[in-house]
Amino acid sequence: SQQGEEDPQALSIQEGENATMNCSYKTSINNLQWYRQNSGRGLVHLILIRSNEREKHSGRLRVTLDTSKKSSSLLITASRAADTASYFCATDALSMDSSYKLIFGSGTRLLVRP
Amino acid sequence: NAGVTQTPEFQVLKTGQSMTLQCAQDMNHEYMSWYRQDPGMGLRLIHYSVGAGITDQGEVPNGYNVSRSTTEDFPLRLLSAAPSQTSVYFCASSYSGTGLVEAFFGQGTRLTVV
Repeated sequence: SQQGEEDPQALSIQEGENATMNCSYKTSINNLQWYRQNSGRGLVHLILIRSNEREKHSGRLRVTLDTSKKSSSLLITASRAADTASYFCATDALSMDSSYKLIFGSGTRLLVRP
Repeated sequence: NAGVTQTPEFQVLKTGQSMTLQCAQDMNHEYMSWYRQDPGMGLRLIHYSVGAGITDQGEVPNGYNVSRSTTEDFPLRLLSAAPSQTSVYFCASSYSGTGLVEAFFGQGTRLTVV
């Protein structure tokens, strides 16, 4: 089963509004990442937050991490039509050979209406 | 830099046929991985490699083989294609498999098995 699960599965907002997506995961992590995917194309990295960080900002993006609740949220402020995409959280999982596997959640489909 | 290059972009196979999906990166990344994405779902890890000569299984490895003879290339082989393998396949690479760095994705191979 997948490590991360996003909520909601789909979100429709008006341009200018804020969009919040949530991610829950099951096991301990070293870091959590958020990615964006436009129309089934390759994923693009947005932001990484380490397990010892609680909040991180990048432009209009704000990510929070609560390791006690095993959850993270991605906030996009002042949304634009160009933000329409699917957003995925990804967490690392320690393998038997001490390397990490990047495991993705099921994603949130965001539609920003002009 | 081309980044991560996948070929072909589209492929139609008949049930039982075999084929190899190509993935190459020019960033000297140690870590490479293959994912599949089914409609409306997140990415599921098929196989990954932490360096030349080293590969391991992900979440859904059955029906797929990989090898890593060079740092640059990580081909994915479908041994005997089945309709259940109809999916979009993404190759990704990152500097290391420690989970602390972002992954770079190719644009995907859209595979249909009839």
